[in-house]
Amino acid sequence: GESVGLHLPTLSVQEGDNSIINCAYSNSASDYFIWYKQESGKGPQFIIDIRSNMDKRQGQRVTVLLNKTVKHLSLQIAATQPGDSAVYFCAEKLKGGKLIFGQGTELSVKP
Amino acid sequence: DTAVSQTPKYLVTQMGNDKSIKCEQNLGHDTMYWYKQDSKKFLKIMFSYNNKELIINETVPNRFSPKSPDKAHLNLHINSLELGDSAVYFCASSSSTDTQYFGPGTRLTVL
Repeated sequence: GESVGLHLPTLSVQEGDNSIINCAYSNSASDYFIWYKQESGKGPQFIIDIRSNMDKRQGQRVTVLLNKTVKHLSLQIAATQPGDSAVYFCAEKLKGGKLIFGQGTELSVKP
Repeated sequence: DTAVSQTPKYLVTQMGNDKSIKCEQNLGHDTMYWYKQDSKKFLKIMFSYNNKELIINETVPNRFSPKSPDKAHLNLHINSLELGDSAVYFCASSSSTDTQYFGPGTRLTVL
């Protein structure tokens, strides 16, 4: 079926710690995955993406890991800052550009 | 210099009314989308247009009608508004199958 889910609805971390947000997907035919960040009152903002022919991709302070064997995706944020507080969504892209979004994880950073 | 813009940002209206939400992108993208985000933050695609042609039409009531006058605009018209239509509606755009960029959202409240 078409579903992308997240393991944890909320995550609270201390400023400076690393954050890990997890996501499970069910469509094994999907070949492109994206992480979005949504701050309060704003639209989702692209963070990082990964194609299925990769298992790791790094950006600035963020890393996405893809495990196709168990259909698992994770977003790692290094040295989490208060500005990272937001809801994070993983999304799975199907043919024709249709994005299937996960439930969302609310990240809260304590100073 | 806003990439994807929507108007209005807030819309409060009575049940039974007809309303429109406008979306414009200045990124030169050829594909535009409408998403609905419910009170639990769940994001679901409603429609997608590529070069003014409808390519994704999810199972939404036919009271919702998208209209694309040109590649840079995708408007959403809603007839006979119902309480359940209350949500945040996001417009997005992309270049073919590339990353989708989202607008700031329109919060619709039906009383």
